[in-house]
Amino acid sequence: DIQMTQTPSSMPASLGERVTISCRASQGISNYLNWYQQKPDGTIKPLIYYTSNLQSGVPSRFSGSGSGTDYSLTISSLEPEDFAMYYCQQYDSSPPTFGGGTKLELK
Amino acid sequence: QVTLKESGPGILQPSQTLSLTCSFSGFLLSASSVGVGWIRQPSGKGLEWLATIGWEDVKHYNPSLKSRLTISKDTSNNQVFLKITSVDTADTGTYYCAHTVYNNYPIWFAYWGQGTLVTVSS
Repeated sequence: DIQMTQTPSSMPASLGERVTISCRASQGISNYLNWYQQKPDGTIKPLIYYTSNLQSGVPSRFSGSGSGTDYSLTISSLEPEDFAMYYCQQYDSSPPTFGGGTKLELK
Repeated sequence: QVTLKESGPGILQPSQTLSLTCSFSGFLLSASSVGVGWIRQPSGKGLEWLATIGWEDVKHYNPSLKSRLTISKDTSNNQVFLKITSVDTADTGTYYCAHTVYNNYPIWFAYWGQGTLVTVSS
């Protein structure tokens, strides 16, 4: 299985700040990388698919980039509702696997 | 509008079989490359894909758990079921079902249910 490692595991940040979350695969995944947001109540929302494509309805302050083994999710200016857990997920090969998550916390 | 909702027993004892139901609306399980998948999350931990079922009864399982999993569907009632045999405390967590886009295997979980908490305890 492809292992996905997210860094940092937690990140204190302030409203309006620009933040970047990293995700590294144990082997190249050819941009087959998705991002999800999980709120404290457990609700999971898809954000980005195929590295950089925003799911319908996701605000444009979210963006994704990367290639090979290294990928990132950037939020350009943090809003109150952005403080949550974020997970990356690869689908280059089966089984699809998720990163361990990054918790974005209010500083 | 796509919606999914999980239901389960809440609590069960070690060695029992866990039976979960996903009731969904807003899409057809008979559509090409569309399926329903199950993903679980142990308390305080990350996400683990378990199984997906799609059109033409195509089934995909996580190899690490395949021997214990059975996924099935009732297309006419828009429901998908997952059974996990011989549960133990490591199976405790929240179980989600999700609208899944797949090719030869699941690639994108586009809509999620709210999750159902399962506790395995004696």
